[in-house]
Amino acid sequence: DTEVTQTPKHLVMGMTNKKSLKCEQHMGHRAMYWYKQKAKKPPELMFVYSYEKLSINESVPSRFSPECPNSSLLNLHLHALQPEDSALYLCASSIGNGYTFGSGTRLTVV
Amino acid sequence: GENVEQHPSTLSVQEGDSAVIKCTYSDSASNYFPWYKQELGKGPQLIIDIRSNVGEKKDQRIAVTLNKTAKHFSLHITETQPEDSAVYFCAASRDGNQFYFGTGTSLTVIP
Repeated sequence: DTEVTQTPKHLVMGMTNKKSLKCEQHMGHRAMYWYKQKAKKPPELMFVYSYEKLSINESVPSRFSPECPNSSLLNLHLHALQPEDSALYLCASSIGNGYTFGSGTRLTVV
Repeated sequence: GENVEQHPSTLSVQEGDSAVIKCTYSDSASNYFPWYKQELGKGPQLIIDIRSNVGEKKDQRIAVTLNKTAKHFSLHITETQPEDSAVYFCAASRDGNQFYFGTGTSLTVIP
Protein backbone atom coordinates (compact mmCIF):
# COMPACT_ATOMS: atom_id res chain seq x y z
CA ASP A 1 0.00 0.00 0.00
CA THR A 2 1.64 3.24 -1.15
CA GLU A 3 -1.20 5.64 -0.58
CA VAL A 4 -2.41 8.18 1.88
CA THR A 5 -6.19 7.96 2.15
CA GLN A 6 -8.26 10.94 3.23
CA THR A 7 -11.94 11.02 4.08
CA PRO A 8 -14.28 12.61 3.36
CA LYS A 9 -13.36 13.98 -0.07
CA HIS A 10 -15.82 16.85 0.30
CA LEU A 11 -17.32 18.44 3.39
CA VAL A 12 -19.74 21.31 3.83
CA MET A 13 -20.22 22.50 7.40
CA GLY A 14 -21.85 25.36 9.20
CA MET A 15 -19.95 27.65 11.52
CA THR A 16 -21.43 26.00 14.60
CA ASN A 17 -20.78 22.42 13.50
CA LYS A 18 -18.17 19.99 14.74
CA LYS A 19 -16.63 17.67 12.17
CA SER A 20 -13.49 15.60 11.73
CA LEU A 21 -11.17 14.90 8.84
CA LYS A 22 -9.44 11.54 8.71
CA CYS A 23 -6.17 10.41 7.20
CA GLU A 24 -4.72 6.91 7.02
CA GLN A 25 -1.46 5.43 5.70
CA HIS A 26 0.03 1.96 5.96
CA MET A 27 3.50 2.64 4.61
CA GLY A 28 5.14 2.69 8.03
CA HIS A 29 5.86 6.41 7.75
CA ARG A 30 6.44 7.89 11.20
CA ALA A 31 5.95 11.53 10.24
CA MET A 32 2.47 12.77 9.32
CA TYR A 33 1.32 16.23 8.41
CA TRP A 34 -1.72 18.44 7.93
CA TYR A 35 -1.56 21.13 5.28
CA LYS A 36 -4.08 23.76 4.20
CA GLN A 37 -4.15 24.83 0.58
CA LYS A 38 -6.05 27.75 -0.89
CA ALA A 39 -6.74 27.95 -4.62
CA LYS A 40 -3.67 28.65 -6.75
CA LYS A 41 -1.42 28.74 -3.66
CA PRO A 42 1.16 26.33 -2.28
CA PRO A 43 0.28 24.09 0.66
CA GLU A 44 0.69 25.78 4.06
CA LEU A 45 1.94 23.64 6.91
CA MET A 46 -0.42 23.36 9.90
CA PHE A 47 0.78 20.47 12.06
CA VAL A 48 3.53 17.86 12.12
CA TYR A 49 3.38 14.61 14.03
CA SER A 50 6.56 12.64 14.53
CA TYR A 51 6.28 9.19 16.09
CA GLU A 52 2.71 10.01 17.10
CA LYS A 53 3.71 13.14 18.99
CA LEU A 54 2.89 16.67 17.92
CA SER A 55 6.22 18.23 16.99
CA ILE A 56 5.18 21.35 15.09
CA ASN A 57 2.12 23.57 15.39
CA GLU A 58 2.41 26.49 13.00
CA SER A 59 0.38 28.85 15.18
CA VAL A 60 -2.86 27.32 14.00
CA PRO A 61 -6.08 28.62 15.68
CA SER A 62 -7.51 26.35 18.35
CA ARG A 63 -10.64 25.72 16.27
CA PHE A 64 -8.40 23.18 14.51
CA SER A 65 -7.42 20.30 16.78
CA PRO A 66 -5.17 17.49 15.52
CA GLU A 67 -5.05 13.99 16.91
CA CYS A 68 -2.80 11.02 16.15
CA PRO A 69 -4.41 7.89 17.66
CA ASN A 70 -1.71 5.58 16.27
CA SER A 71 1.10 5.47 13.74
CA SER A 72 -1.30 4.93 10.82
CA LEU A 73 -4.04 7.44 11.60
CA LEU A 74 -4.24 11.20 11.77
CA ASN A 75 -7.36 13.20 12.50
CA LEU A 76 -8.16 16.88 12.31
CA HIS A 77 -11.09 17.96 14.48
CA LEU A 78 -12.91 21.08 13.38
CA HIS A 79 -15.11 23.31 15.51
CA ALA A 80 -16.55 26.79 15.08
CA LEU A 81 -14.83 27.37 11.76
CA GLN A 82 -15.04 30.56 9.76
CA PRO A 83 -15.83 30.93 6.04
CA GLU A 84 -12.18 31.86 5.42
CA ASP A 85 -11.23 28.37 6.61
CA SER A 86 -12.71 26.99 3.42
CA ALA A 87 -9.85 25.29 1.59
CA LEU A 88 -8.36 21.97 0.50
CA TYR A 89 -6.96 20.16 3.54
CA LEU A 90 -4.13 17.83 2.68
CA CYS A 91 -2.65 15.06 4.75
CA ALA A 92 0.85 13.81 4.00
CA SER A 93 3.27 11.27 5.38
CA SER A 94 7.02 10.97 5.06
CA ILE A 95 9.93 8.74 5.82
CA GLY A 96 12.48 11.45 5.10
CA ASN A 97 12.57 11.40 1.32
CA GLY A 98 9.65 13.54 0.30
CA TYR A 99 5.98 13.53 1.08
CA THR A 100 3.26 11.23 -0.04
CA PHE A 101 0.14 13.38 -0.14
CA GLY A 102 -3.45 12.30 0.06
CA SER A 103 -6.00 13.67 -2.39
CA GLY A 104 -7.32 16.05 0.21
CA THR A 105 -10.64 17.05 1.72
CA ARG A 106 -12.35 19.98 0.02
CA LEU A 107 -13.88 21.89 2.96
CA THR A 108 -16.52 24.56 2.56
CA VAL A 109 -17.65 26.52 5.61
CA VAL A 110 -21.04 28.19 5.23
CA GLY B 1 13.83 30.10 8.00
CA GLU B 2 13.97 28.93 4.41
CA ASN B 3 12.52 31.04 1.58
CA VAL B 4 11.84 29.38 -1.77
CA GLU B 5 11.05 31.48 -4.83
CA GLN B 6 9.66 29.95 -8.01
CA HIS B 7 9.39 31.32 -11.55
CA PRO B 8 7.49 31.67 -13.75
CA SER B 9 4.05 31.63 -12.14
CA THR B 10 2.43 30.64 -15.43
CA LEU B 11 3.92 28.94 -18.47
CA SER B 12 2.35 27.97 -21.79
CA VAL B 13 4.17 25.81 -24.29
CA GLN B 14 3.28 24.06 -27.52
CA GLU B 15 3.01 20.30 -27.37
CA GLY B 16 6.42 18.78 -28.04
CA ASP B 17 8.37 21.80 -26.82
CA SER B 18 10.37 21.90 -23.60
CA ALA B 19 9.36 23.59 -20.35
CA VAL B 20 11.70 24.90 -17.67
CA ILE B 21 10.72 26.01 -14.17
CA LYS B 22 13.26 27.60 -11.83
CA CYS B 23 13.48 27.86 -8.05
CA THR B 24 15.89 29.58 -5.71
CA TYR B 25 16.33 28.91 -2.01
CA SER B 26 17.90 30.86 0.82
CA ASP B 27 19.02 28.29 3.41
CA SER B 28 22.42 26.85 2.51
CA ALA B 29 21.69 23.93 4.87
CA SER B 30 18.84 22.71 2.64
CA ASN B 31 19.94 19.48 1.04
CA TYR B 32 16.86 17.84 -0.45
CA PHE B 33 14.78 19.31 -3.28
CA PRO B 34 11.63 17.55 -4.48
CA TRP B 35 9.26 18.60 -7.26
CA TYR B 36 5.52 18.02 -7.07
CA LYS B 37 2.86 17.97 -9.76
CA GLN B 38 -0.68 18.84 -8.74
CA GLU B 39 -3.57 18.17 -11.07
CA LEU B 40 -6.96 19.77 -10.58
CA GLY B 41 -8.82 18.32 -7.61
CA LYS B 42 -5.90 16.15 -6.49
CA GLY B 43 -3.13 16.29 -3.96
CA PRO B 44 0.45 17.05 -5.03
CA GLN B 45 2.38 14.08 -6.38
CA LEU B 46 6.15 13.71 -6.12
CA ILE B 47 7.58 13.48 -9.64
CA ILE B 48 11.32 13.82 -9.12
CA ASP B 49 13.76 14.87 -6.42
CA ILE B 50 17.44 15.64 -6.02
CA ARG B 51 19.85 15.69 -3.12
CA SER B 52 22.63 18.21 -2.66
CA ASN B 53 25.40 15.73 -3.46
CA VAL B 54 24.10 15.39 -7.03
CA GLY B 55 24.07 18.02 -9.77
CA GLU B 56 21.53 16.48 -12.11
CA LYS B 57 18.96 13.72 -12.14
CA LYS B 58 16.86 12.48 -15.03
CA ASP B 59 13.76 10.29 -15.27
CA GLN B 60 12.51 9.81 -18.83
CA ARG B 61 11.20 13.20 -20.01
CA ILE B 62 11.83 15.06 -16.76
CA ALA B 63 15.09 16.20 -15.26
CA VAL B 64 16.18 18.34 -12.36
CA THR B 65 19.40 20.30 -12.05
CA LEU B 66 20.89 21.78 -8.90
CA ASN B 67 23.45 24.54 -8.48
CA LYS B 68 24.40 24.58 -4.81
CA THR B 69 26.70 27.55 -5.12
CA ALA B 70 24.01 29.74 -6.64
CA LYS B 71 21.29 28.10 -4.53
CA HIS B 72 18.96 27.35 -7.39
CA PHE B 73 17.43 24.28 -8.95
CA SER B 74 15.35 23.75 -12.06
CA LEU B 75 12.81 21.32 -13.49
CA HIS B 76 13.09 20.48 -17.18
CA ILE B 77 10.30 18.73 -19.06
CA THR B 78 11.08 17.70 -22.64
CA GLU B 79 8.65 16.67 -25.40
CA THR B 80 5.75 18.08 -23.44
CA GLN B 81 2.33 16.46 -23.71
CA PRO B 82 -1.14 17.78 -22.84
CA GLU B 83 -1.20 15.52 -19.76
CA ASP B 84 1.78 17.47 -18.40
CA SER B 85 -0.59 20.41 -17.85
CA ALA B 86 -0.79 20.96 -14.10
CA VAL B 87 0.57 23.12 -11.30
CA TYR B 88 4.15 22.32 -10.35
CA PHE B 89 5.66 23.10 -6.94
CA CYS B 90 9.29 22.99 -5.97
CA ALA B 91 10.30 22.51 -2.35
CA ALA B 92 13.41 22.54 -0.17
CA SER B 93 14.23 20.73 3.05
CA ARG B 94 17.20 20.33 5.35
CA ASP B 95 15.94 17.24 7.16
CA GLY B 96 13.61 15.48 4.73
CA ASN B 97 10.66 15.95 7.04
CA GLN B 98 9.79 19.64 6.93
CA PHE B 99 9.50 21.24 3.52
CA TYR B 100 9.25 24.80 2.26
CA PHE B 101 7.29 25.15 -0.96
CA GLY B 102 7.68 27.52 -3.86
CA THR B 103 4.67 29.51 -5.00
CA GLY B 104 3.84 27.19 -7.88
CA THR B 105 3.90 27.28 -11.69
CA SER B 106 0.76 26.66 -13.72
CA LEU B 107 1.90 24.84 -16.86
CA THR B 108 -0.37 24.63 -19.89
CA VAL B 109 0.63 22.45 -22.83
CA ILE B 110 -1.21 23.53 -25.96
CA PRO B 111 -2.05 20.67 -28.35
